[in-house]
Amino acid sequence: AQKITQTQPGMFVQEKEAVTLDCTYDTSDPSYGLFWYKQPSSGEMIFLIYQGSYDQQNATEGRYSLNFQKARKSANLVISASQLGDSAMYFCAMREGRGNNDMRFGAGTRLTVKP
Amino acid sequence: KAGVTQTPRYLIKTRGQQVTLSCSPISGHRSVSWYQQTPGQGLQFLFEYFSETQRNKGNFPGRFSGRQFSNSRSEMNVSTLELGDSALYLCASSLEGDRGHEQYFGPGTRLTVT
Repeated sequence: AQKITQTQPGMFVQEKEAVTLDCTYDTSDPSYGLFWYKQPSSGEMIFLIYQGSYDQQNATEGRYSLNFQKARKSANLVISASQLGDSAMYFCAMREGRGNNDMRFGAGTRLTVKP
Repeated sequence: KAGVTQTPRYLIKTRGQQVTLSCSPISGHRSVSWYQQTPGQGLQFLFEYFSETQRNKGNFPGRFSGRQFSNSRSEMNVSTLELGDSALYLCASSLEGDRGHEQYFGPGTRLTVT
């Protein structure tokens, strides 16, 4: 069963504007972690941000923030002040339980930043 | 601190051959996970090793195997290669700890099977 859903295959955003990339997940485990990764054309996966299921506050890392809505099982990534270098594939991922590194990834969203 | 390294970066093999890919994790990381990425199937989890033991395994045939050494370096082996094994193979390492132990990925090995 698909556990991570990213419904936007592609997104466009104007440079310097904010953009939200959607991610919904499905789990019955009360303990889980949600991750966002960026994959430029070079292929390397770059860790962006993490949200734990018990975290009370939304995670933020510089221009990245995670809009965590636990009841809706959604973990959207918000990128503020987009830059041309943000153009890449973005993957949402989830790991259930603790001590378990079986990470499940969504299909990804290709973000293109327009000058 | 050096990142995750993978060798080789590119590989071309023929159907029926076998291949071994290598991954060196970030110093101090004891968990190494392997993923296969293809345009059709996306990113799929292969297996994870922790302290030389396979801790988790994805839904791949037995042709895919791996191991981890005492220095945490890991190898992945694919025997009897098939055309469908052409993919980017990514290795990731993580540090066991309280904070989500996010995974740090290497640049990947792009395997082409002809």
